[in-house]
Amino acid sequence: EPEVTQTPSHQVTQMGQEVILRCVPISNHLYFYWYRQILGQKVEFLVSFYNNEISEKSEIFDDQFSVERPDGSNFTLKIRSTKLEDSAMYFCASSDRGFNEQFFGPGTRLTVL
Amino acid sequence: AQSVTQLDSQVPVFEEAPVELRCNYSSSVSVYLFWYVQYPNQGLQLLLKYLSGSTLVKGINGFEAEFNKSQTSFHLRKPSVHISDTAEYFCAVARSGTYKYIFGTGTRLKVLA
Repeated sequence: EPEVTQTPSHQVTQMGQEVILRCVPISNHLYFYWYRQILGQKVEFLVSFYNNEISEKSEIFDDQFSVERPDGSNFTLKIRSTKLEDSAMYFCASSDRGFNEQFFGPGTRLTVL
Repeated sequence: AQSVTQLDSQVPVFEEAPVELRCNYSSSVSVYLFWYVQYPNQGLQLLLKYLSGSTLVKGINGFEAEFNKSQTSFHLRKPSVHISDTAEYFCAVARSGTYKYIFGTGTRLKVLA
């Protein structure tokens, strides 16, 4: 069964450093998403991406964040200068159609020290 | 603004007993509704979805949910739970015209022997 994969599973970084979280969505999917879950809190939408551009983003997704689909398979989330409050589990998701179910990856736990 | 409420943060229930996890949403437009399960240290797995059609939807692992438009609810039910159902359950709503999910705060289901 096809699945969304994410690397790394755990990333530890120093405050102010740049991090790139990587995702490989399901191959025939066209819509891609990033969500985050701060420990003990609910899952929050960050950004959606379709046709090589951002289709929607939340207030959390400020200038420190960017997304890219550098090739036909990867989908990345970059945080330019990490803050302590960026520590969270980051989930990538993809869907074949915009309104259909989203398939989530296992997540990357980001720890900012 | 759209919101999703899961009133019960924790639900303890004995094995083989029935369970209902409640989800209410606020939206003035059509919505798509989803229930996801998150096992410890894992990602989100879709249990079931409502896009249109029959208001009673059946999902995996014996779960079902009923969409009630007048009460803006989408409660999740299972007639007989197993120890293996112990997990966190998230209700998610996507408003028609946008593809981002708004998640509830989650309900931790603990099945007791």
